[in-house]
Parts: sequence; C-alpha cells; structure tokens
Amino acid sequence: GESVGLHLPTLSVQEGDNSIINCAYSNSASDYFIWYKQESGKGPQFIIDIRSNMDKRQGQRVTVLLNKTVKHLSLQIAATQPGDSAVYFCAENYGSGYSTLTFGKGTMLLVSP
Amino acid sequence: ETGVTQTPRHLVMGMTNKKSLKCEQHLGHNAMYWYKQSAKKPLELMFVYSLEERVENNSVPSRFSPECPNSSHLFLHLHTLQPEDSALYLCASSQGGLRGNTIYFGEGSWLTVV
Repeated sequence: GESVGLHLPTLSVQEGDNSIINCAYSNSASDYFIWYKQESGKGPQFIIDIRSNMDKRQGQRVTVLLNKTVKHLSLQIAATQPGDSAVYFCAENYGSGYSTLTFGKGTMLLVSP
Repeated sequence: ETGVTQTPRHLVMGMTNKKSLKCEQHLGHNAMYWYKQSAKKPLELMFVYSLEERVENNSVPSRFSPECPNSSHLFLHLHTLQPEDSALYLCASSQGGLRGNTIYFGEGSWLTVV
C-alpha cells in the first residue's frame, strides 16, 4: 500500500518481543502529549496520551513514559504483534490554541513473525 | 472506523482541474482541521475551523480553498495545483481547543497532481 514518511528511523523486532519507541520533544512548555499509529495507506490512529503532571500512563499493551527533565517521551508496546507494524509518531501540545499541536517525523516499527 | 470520513480516498488531477475533497465527522466535535502529509515532512497544519469559522490559515497558498458549511462537514477545494502538492490530505476533528483534547484523523485522501 501507499505510505508516507520515507527514510524514517526503523525499529525491527520479533513477534512477542517488547518494543520501545522514543521521541524527543522540543518545547519545554508542552503539557500534553499523544502517540499515534499510522498503518500503510491509512490515517493516524490515536493510541494513548499523557499530560505533563504524569510520568507514566498505561493502556492496553502500551505504556507511555514522560521525562520532562530531558524532554523525552517513549512508547512501550508489550508482546509486539505483526499487526503492530506501522509508523508511530508523537505529538506535543504547548497551548490551548488550535495550531499548537506539533508532530514528530515518526519511527517505523517492523514486526517479524 | 475513526468517526471521521474522507472522500475520495484517491484523486488524480491535472494542473488545470478543479476538484474538491470532502470530510465528515460523526463525533459531535466542534473543530475541524485540514493537514497535509508528504514524504519529506511531518504533518503540516493547513486550516482550522471552529464552530464553522476559520480560525487558522497556516500560510497556505490560495489554490487551496477550505469551506465549512456546518460543524460536521469540511471541504477543501483545489484549483490549479502543482505537482509538489501531491500528498496525503488528512481531515481531523476535536472537541474544542487542543489543550488536553485529542485530535482524531480520517483515513486521508491521496492526491496526485499530474
């Protein structure tokens, strides 16, 4: 299928492994963060979010960790499955306006059976 | 099913054509967005509508013309585009402003300008 975001960093894992995808954000004023998953030929799909008053949040098979000291965000996927293969990107929001959400370039996750 | 539906999914148009992209959201949101996604750049915000009023125009060329007839529908009218405008155009919606409110995307419309 079609894809965007060529020449992205790529993480290759085996099925069943745990995956960790990292994101460095730029604005120390950012107070809300979102992880999206984008499969080939599809739009970005919301995975999980976290506010700056938290340092960890868990969802179903996913955990997001936030380190405000070094402006770093990570997405952990437990027991990675082939269906998890996609581009993952983080977004940071630094205000209440409509244009204050900034997206990263993304990481491609490839899961081998 | 994301709650945000875009049509057409694929569009090929010549540089002299006029076409439109359509977006409909079924989430009861009051803000709608157009984003552009190309291979060389992260997601780029184009336009934002809140309660049917345009609140952001992110320096987008006039060959792209948005229209928001109501809070559930958003159009992007295309006229005399350039080949470099070929990209994935994503519609999105949110409830209110972005502070703590997640933005939800449609599946996108792949545009090829020939």
